[in-house]
Amino acid sequence: NAGVTQTPKFQVLKTGQSMTLQCAQDMNHEYMSWYRQDPGMGLRLIHYSVGAGITDQGEVPNGYNVSRSTTEDFPLRLLSAAPSQTSVYFCASSYSSLGTGLSNEKLFFGSGTQLSVL
Amino acid sequence: AQKITQTQPGMFVQEKEAVTLDCTYDTSDQSYGLFWYKQPSSGEMIFLIYQGSYDEQNATEGRYSLNFQKARKSANLVISASQLGDSAMYFCAMREGSRLTFGEGTQLTVNP
Repeated sequence: NAGVTQTPKFQVLKTGQSMTLQCAQDMNHEYMSWYRQDPGMGLRLIHYSVGAGITDQGEVPNGYNVSRSTTEDFPLRLLSAAPSQTSVYFCASSYSSLGTGLSNEKLFFGSGTQLSVL
Repeated sequence: AQKITQTQPGMFVQEKEAVTLDCTYDTSDQSYGLFWYKQPSSGEMIFLIYQGSYDEQNATEGRYSLNFQKARKSANLVISASQLGDSAMYFCAMREGSRLTFGEGTQLTVNP
């Protein structure tokens, strides 16, 4: 049971380069999301999706694009990387996205991607 | 205003003792969920415990319990019988609808 798989684990980019962080889950989860973690700032929501074909912005969406063409995959695209995007990125998914306060909204996290933009 | 507040940047506890990590939250929703995650130095996010806003009893998971005081909007994590392996960063988080908001975390150090 793979859970949430993120690739790559590490990436170094030059300013202006583009790249895609991959995220896949095999749990048939409805909800998927991307977070970035910076020192002393916890995790901040970038984008999220409540189902295939549906995405929405989180707290810090600028500089990032997402799409959800299938239930399983939720890639995060950096169109023109900037040093301010140096961070650890986490993908997370949950079975339900309804926000009803039920335990099936527990998030399962990928192992993270350490991204450095020079 | 902060949605999730963890006022203890760092905490120290002696091995085998209990420790409480504080978390307060701010929401006007009636339906929400509260979570605690552990992040060891290896970086992965490990789910510890969950409390739904309609749950009348405090959640427990092994050595972890959540002291849920709805009127005070607090959801403190209690770790009993601390172990050296409990040394890690601990995050409180709240789910409202489709958004999960994290606190800034508390770094727990367990001393032998």
